[in-house]
Amino acid sequence: AQSVAQPEDQVNVAEGNPLTVKCTYSVSGNPYLFWYVQYPNRGLQFLLKYITGDNLVKGSYGFEAEFNKSQTSFHLKKPSALVSDSALYFCAVSPLLKDLIFGKGTTLSVSS
Amino acid sequence: GAGVSQSPSNKVTEKGKDVELRCDPISGHTALYWYRQSLGQGLEFLIYFQGNSAPDKSGLPSDRFSAERTGGSVSTLTIQRTQQEDSAVYLCASSLSAGGPNEQFFGPGTRLTVL
Repeated sequence: AQSVAQPEDQVNVAEGNPLTVKCTYSVSGNPYLFWYVQYPNRGLQFLLKYITGDNLVKGSYGFEAEFNKSQTSFHLKKPSALVSDSALYFCAVSPLLKDLIFGKGTTLSVSS
Repeated sequence: GAGVSQSPSNKVTEKGKDVELRCDPISGHTALYWYRQSLGQGLEFLIYFQGNSAPDKSGLPSDRFSAERTGGSVSTLTIQRTQQEDSAVYLCASSLSAGGPNEQFFGPGTRLTVL
């Protein structure tokens, strides 16, 4: 069965420090992996996706994610966190011709 | 261009009443999805459409839930005889086609409160 795990409910980081939000997945075949962000009282926004090719994917707002096939991970990263990055982050995997399977989400809190 | 729109943004109803939630996808997107997000929970897949067809209805929680899509565009999610456990934010998304590498674009959601 396809699944996504986000092992941390919350990540706390100080502004200016690097951040990592973890995601591991279990899929059959080649994975299509996504990160979405949800700001308070707003809908989900697409950040980035991995389809194939370069293992380091760059996305919106300075975020990037590293695909690691051997560790079945797709961690979200940013070199220098901003207070405005505080939000709920979802990792997701897309089976072919179906919906997105989401992780449970990780709340990122960036302190000033 | 215009994104995914949903209406109403908020709906308060009494237990036992029927409600209809509407989703207007991005023009040209053939796939449309409904999810439910309960307080403190992740996203729960309900149903998706490819064109006007719904190949997978397995996520609908009960037979009180139904959805339709007409003209390959607007979709309505209907909840009959609402229960308090139906209270949640209902999110709609669309994509160029279903699944695979296509990212989904989400609407702002409809917050449903069943009293």
